[in-house]
Amino acid sequence: LAKTTQPISMDSYEGQEVNITCSHNNIATNDYITWYQQFPSQGPRFIIQGYKTKVTNEVASLFIPADRKSSTLSLPRVSLSDTAVYYCLVGDRTGTASKLTFGTGTRLQVTL
Amino acid sequence: EAGVVQSPRYKIIEKKQPVAFWCNPISGHNTLYWYRQNLGQGPELLIRYENEEAVDDSQLPKDRFSAERLKGVDSTLKIQPAELGDSAVYLCASSPFGAGNNEQFFGPGTRLTVL
Repeated sequence: LAKTTQPISMDSYEGQEVNITCSHNNIATNDYITWYQQFPSQGPRFIIQGYKTKVTNEVASLFIPADRKSSTLSLPRVSLSDTAVYYCLVGDRTGTASKLTFGTGTRLQVTL
Repeated sequence: EAGVVQSPRYKIIEKKQPVAFWCNPISGHNTLYWYRQNLGQGPELLIRYENEEAVDDSQLPKDRFSAERLKGVDSTLKIQPAELGDSAVYLCASSPFGAGNNEQFFGPGTRLTVL
């Protein structure tokens, strides 16, 4: 199982771009990288998923280098409402072998 | 579209009492997950269902925890008897794509406090 390592916490000012990096040195060939966001008293919410290079959607971008041993979630121009815990997950998309581990996540605090 | 529904939202019980949590996944989602989340930690997978079959229950403490998903729709997670260490948030999630690292839709969770 691919283990992930993320910073425990990050601070940012409103309007800045935030980049959260996740290390997954033993990622397997079939593994995808997925990021979730969790607010207090809510379940996690899917943000973005990718396999390689760059993926972008309306809320974030995901950068994955060629060796896929790390990935970076990029949040453009964060606002106070982006204060949350962000989890990086690595796992395959098929078969019963998949077992996703959320880890402790990165607690992002956005201030004025 | 309705999201994943869980009930109750909060539950307070004394140790050694039984407790049950209910989850109704998003309509059409055949994969259902139960997670436990301790304070300050990420969710920990307890069991995963594909339709009515439990395909991954290796993390479920089977001496006191049980789960069922009759008819492959809603699901119940039970603890009997509860212990102090079971205090946590129990999250249910569902996915339309089957097993694996696909987008999961989470419910709001049930916060259990064992006294």
